[in-house]
Amino acid sequence: DIQVTQSPSSLSASVGDRVSITCRASQGISNSLAWYQQKPGKAPKVLLYAASRLESGVPSRFSGSGSGTDYTLTISSLQPEDFATYYCQQYYVTPTFGQGTKVEIK
Amino acid sequence: EVQLVESGGGVVQPGGSLRLSCEASGFTFDDYTMHWVRQRPGKGLEWVSLITWDAGNIQYADSMRGRFTISRDNGKNSLYLQMHSLRTEDTAFYYCTKGRPSALYGLDVWGQGTTVIVSS
Repeated sequence: DIQVTQSPSSLSASVGDRVSITCRASQGISNSLAWYQQKPGKAPKVLLYAASRLESGVPSRFSGSGSGTDYTLTISSLQPEDFATYYCQQYYVTPTFGQGTKVEIK
Repeated sequence: EVQLVESGGGVVQPGGSLRLSCEASGFTFDDYTMHWVRQRPGKGLEWVSLITWDAGNIQYADSMRGRFTISRDNGKNSLYLQMHSLRTEDTAFYYCTKGRPSALYGLDVWGQGTTVIVSS
């Protein structure tokens, strides 16, 4: 299995802040990486796939970058509705998820 | 609009069985690989199983292999997960997910989930 290490596990930020979350895979995954947002009591919602492709309907303040083993989700200007938990997931082989990053209000 | 609606969750004793169902709508069900993913209470996400459109490729996570069986009925636009020999650590929210086109292990739309509680 490919292990995916996500960091940080939590962060506090203010509305308008630029926020970045990183994922590191235990081996190269050829951009087969997705990012999800999950709010309490709700199912995860895909934000980006193929490392940097924005899912339809997702605001452009979300962006993804990276290659090889290292990937980053960036929220350019945090909005009130963005406070949630974010997960990365590799799908190069049988899917594995990062441990999650809880984004809280500062 | 793509919709996935899970059902069949509930409370079961350790060693018991349960069958989850997922009814799909809003897309051509038999064009897509389907997956089950679970989330233990307060924990992260764990992939469970996948089944390709024709059931020609079925895979399981190691901890579920031999106890869980995934299946589908394309005529009913439905996905199933038969779970046997349930353990307390199988207590989780179970999500049905649509596969991403051209990516066997990619996930797309998720259902709202169904709760499985394994407890004596």
